[in-house]
Amino acid sequence: GAGVSQSPSNKVTEKGKDVELRCDPISGHTALYWYRQSLGQGLEFLIYFQGNSAPDKSGLPSDRFSAERTGGSVSTLTIQRTQQEDSAVYLCASSLAVQGGETQYFGPGTRLLVL
Amino acid sequence: AQSVSQHNHHVILSEAASLELGCNYSYGGTVNLFWYVQYPGQHLQLLLKYFSGDPLVKGIKGFEAEFIKSKFSFNLRKPSVQWSDTAEYFCAGNNDMRFGAGTRLTVKP
Repeated sequence: GAGVSQSPSNKVTEKGKDVELRCDPISGHTALYWYRQSLGQGLEFLIYFQGNSAPDKSGLPSDRFSAERTGGSVSTLTIQRTQQEDSAVYLCASSLAVQGGETQYFGPGTRLLVL
Repeated sequence: AQSVSQHNHHVILSEAASLELGCNYSYGGTVNLFWYVQYPGQHLQLLLKYFSGDPLVKGIKGFEAEFIKSKFSFNLRKPSVQWSDTAEYFCAGNNDMRFGAGTRLTVKP
């Protein structure tokens, strides 16, 4: 594809339910990143992947959050037992590699609303 | 810990005014710095980046930024803003790609 795609674009769920967010990076990009953008807040780093491995999980807000990446391509971010404070836009980005000078290309985001 | 900070949360300017948005980083070693922009309703996209060479970096749409190592700064500048520059601007740094809190720029026509 031409760019990073994310699905769903919008998700409304009830408190306590699990949600799964999907990211399709640009073909050939080995690095993939997840961020959270809350209203009035900046970009909060969650996790990144180099290939299928995630060397740095320190940004995940709690153990309800997990992410995986398979085949060096698609990634899913799972939030278990969602809480209202999880409501935010979840952004995915990819880059050719995890190197300092590499540009990240962002997807449109998934807007999550937890009722 | 590596960090990038932006001190201006919301900047309001009139068209043709000059712009400078602050960005400071707090780590040593190899420094790579970026400015990203998010126009209303659009994806985040790269504005410009510095990773070596000339510390004055020119980006798209007339933006530039200067890496000043002695000041740990990478401020974004534009000599004359337009209404279409209304957006949120994020500074980001280095391998861990932490982002600053963002600066919302509103340009009044």
